[in-house]
This record gives sequence, C-alpha cells and structure tokens, in this order.
Amino acid sequence: DVKVTQSSRYLVKRTGEKVFLECVQDMDHENMFWYRQDPGLGLRLIYFSYDVKMKEKGDIPEGYSVSREKKERFSLILESASTNQTSMYLCASSTTGSGNTIYFGEGSWLTVV
Amino acid sequence: GQQLNQSPQSMFIQEGEDVSMNCTSSSIFNTWLWYKQDPGEGPVLLIALYKAGELTSNGRLTAQFGITRKDSFLNISASIPSDVGIYFCAGQEYGNKLVFGAGTILRVKS
Repeated sequence: DVKVTQSSRYLVKRTGEKVFLECVQDMDHENMFWYRQDPGLGLRLIYFSYDVKMKEKGDIPEGYSVSREKKERFSLILESASTNQTSMYLCASSTTGSGNTIYFGEGSWLTVV
Repeated sequence: GQQLNQSPQSMFIQEGEDVSMNCTSSSIFNTWLWYKQDPGEGPVLLIALYKAGELTSNGRLTAQFGITRKDSFLNISASIPSDVGIYFCAGQEYGNKLVFGAGTILRVKS
C-alpha cells in the first residue's frame, strides 16, 4: 500500500518559534508537495520538489522554506511562526509524468499561539 | 494562484438521495481528479479522468471530464451516512501540480 507519513498530527507552537514539519514517503516517488488547507480556500500549494535538493515555489511560499536532502523525505520549515500560519498542512507525493496519481498524508494540524 | 470554481459549497441531503457537484476552470487541464477528505484525515483519491468526454464510475460514484477540458462533475447515487466529508476537485498541471477547488461539504441525514 502507498504510504505518505507526516510525523506530527497535532502541534501547538508559539509565535516566533521555528517549526519543522516532516514528511516521508515509501513509494520511491520523485515528486513531493506541501499544501496548506484552510476552510473555504481548499488546498493551496506552498512548495514542491521534483528531485533531491530541488525545490520550486508554489502559490503561497511566503513565510515557508523546504528541504529535500533525501528522496523519501520532504520537510516544511516555518522560520518564525506567526498566528496566520495556523492551519492544516498536507504533504503529498507522486511519480513523474502526466496522469500519475498524487497521494496525500493524513495532515498536520498546526496552531500558533 | 489559480483556483477552480467548485459548487455547491455545501449540501445537506437525505440518505438515499443522489448528489451532484461540479468544477469549472478558465484554463484547460489534461487530467481531472476527485478526492474525498474525511474529518481529520488527508484527501483520498476517488476518481481520475484523463480524456475529454471520459465518463468513469467507481461504485456509486460517477465522474465526467468535460468536452471543453475546463470542467468536471461528480455524482454520488443513493447516498449513505459514510459519504459525509469534503469532496475536492483538482485539475492537474504540468509536473503533477494540482490546482484544487475550495471543496464541497457533504452532510447526510439518516
């Protein structure tokens, strides 16, 4: 079975803290993605990566950075968390080529106080 | 960034009723996908559509890829309580990037 695992389901952090969200996939997928989900806005792409050490900005990259040192792992970093980054964060992965399915993790609920 | 127009925003229906929701876009997509998200979980793929005009079924679910490649619909027949959740449409851009609709919240009355 396909598996995308997000290390933390629920986090509460203080404003200004550095936050790491980790994601691991066991399917040898080239592509990995980070989305955030907010009510009424659907899923919005923060960053994605086509390969190790490669990253591209999505639609809302401000306030975030990412790291992909190994193929199976894609980390989302909030350098200085703010309350407007309270959200659900979803990691996803897929193989290359059009028409390939994207698989999602279970999500990480982040609250910044 | 681009977003799809998904409607309705929410539905509250009686068990056994059929459900219909749709997505439209100003851009053409080569692939349309429909996902369901249960409360507290990540989205799970329901149906993938790869050709304009394609009509695909998955149990009680049926989805179609519009001829213009700018729209898609999802139908659920004879709804049951476990159909509750948020349904998202997504259009696939180059490099497997997905553009999502805002979601349709489905509630079912027993």
